[in-house]
Amino acid sequence: DSGVTQTPKHLITATGQRVTLRCSPRSGDLSVYWYQQSLDQGLQFLIQYYNGEERAKGNILERFSAQQFPDLHSELNLSSLELGDSALYFCASSVGARGSGNTIYFGEGSWLTVV
Amino acid sequence: QKEVEQDPGPLSVPEGAIVSLNCTYSNSAFQYFMWYRQYSRKGPELLMYTYSSGNKEDGRFTAQVDKSSKYISLFIRDSQPSDSATYLCAMSNQGGKLIFGQGTELSVKP
Repeated sequence: DSGVTQTPKHLITATGQRVTLRCSPRSGDLSVYWYQQSLDQGLQFLIQYYNGEERAKGNILERFSAQQFPDLHSELNLSSLELGDSALYFCASSVGARGSGNTIYFGEGSWLTVV
Repeated sequence: QKEVEQDPGPLSVPEGAIVSLNCTYSNSAFQYFMWYRQYSRKGPELLMYTYSSGNKEDGRFTAQVDKSSKYISLFIRDSQPSDSATYLCAMSNQGGKLIFGQGTELSVKP
């Protein structure tokens, strides 16, 4: 158990809908990262927040948004869902802003299916 | 061309074999190199972390980084059926953004 908690574990929704994925980082970690894993694209970095502020952005679609709250939990909002958004969404956390790899811990993921 | 290339396999070996997994990359700014293990539909688990070039050993696992060739490897000695999983290489510069390879699916047969 990495200590990173994600909910829900599984989610099935229809095209055009909006969903929110939630992440609680490990105790003491200030950075939260969101990654998307699909069969064709592999594991892709979406966005990073550090202590409530956006720190780095990857190939995140405009239909997607995220935020980190004062209690450090984070939410990833996915709207106007398309079939291609079906994927496993991972949250990860680290103590510092830079991560440097050795301190980035992943949650178990939220499996999103868009039908 | 992807920044990180990794042979997706699948790779099947008998129990006890030495496994070699490899990634190549194109971005010379990468300084941090990681190997993650991922069981089916589970979160990636950090196995090995290496900074810059060199070797690192941890039990049955050895990670090697050759920055001059832009090539990293993970060796697993005395492979076990419990090692069956997908192995992902990942890299970064100084930031927390990791660039992952596609992952290699490994199956160790008893």
